Amino acid sequence: DADVTQTPRNRITKTGKRIMLECSQTKGHDRMYWYRQDPGLGLRLIYYSFDVKDINKGEISDGYSVSRQAQAKFSLSLESAIPNQTALYFCATSDWGGTNTGELFFGEGSRLTVL
Amino acid sequence: GNSVTQMEGPVTLSEEAFLTINCTYTATGYPSLFWYVQYPGEGLQLLLKATKADDKGSNKGFEATYRKETTSFHLEKGSVQVSDSAVYFCALSVGNAGNMLTFGGGTRLMVKP
Repeated sequence: DADVTQTPRNRITKTGKRIMLECSQTKGHDRMYWYRQDPGLGLRLIYYSFDVKDINKGEISDGYSVSRQAQAKFSLSLESAIPNQTALYFCATSDWGGTNTGELFFGEGSRLTVL
Repeated sequence: GNSVTQMEGPVTLSEEAFLTINCTYTATGYPSLFWYVQYPGEGLQLLLKATKADDKGSNKGFEATYRKETTSFHLEKGSVQVSDSAVYFCALSVGNAGNMLTFGGGTRLMVKP
C-alpha cells in the first residue's frame, strides 16, 4: 500500500458543487501539504499544516479550505467548484528532523475536472 | 521573492544521448536546491539535492551542481534510457522555511528507443 493515499483519484463535477479531496498517510509525519499542478506552472502550494492544530495558507488558498482531522489525515475542500479549479491535486508529507532536508513524500494525485 | 525557472519542454532524445535540463533560481537568503521526478501516473519523488554552493547532488546516474555564481542547478545525465522518460522539476527551499518548496514549471523528457 502507498504511504500517502489520496481519494478520489479522479473526479468530474459541475460548477458550484462542493468537493472534498482526502489524504491519509502512514509515514508518521507531522507535516502535510496540498499542492495544485497545472501544465507549465509546476506545483503551487494551497495549504499546509505542521501539526493537528496548525493550518496555514499557501500561495493560492482562495476558493479552498482544509481540515486536519488527525496527524494522519488532511482534507482539501472546494466549497463551490469553478472550472479554473480543474487541475491535478497532490497531497504531500514531510518530517522535520532538525535539518532542512526538503524531501516531500507525495501521493499519486487526484485529478479534478470542473465542468 | 523566491522563484525557479526551468527550460521549457518537451525535450526529446534518443536512448544513450546526453541530457541537460537547465534550472536557474532567485532566492532571498541561501537556498537548498532539489530535483524531483514525476513518472507517468505517479506523484513526485526526490531525485537529488544540494544544500550549499559547489555541492553536487547525484542519484541514478543524474547529477546537478549548485552554482551560486550563476544561480543555477542544471540536471545532467550522460546516457539516458527510455525509463528516464518523465517530468523533472527543479525546486528550492530557503532557511528556516523548513520543507516549504518553490517549484519550477517542470520539463518533460521523452526518450525514444
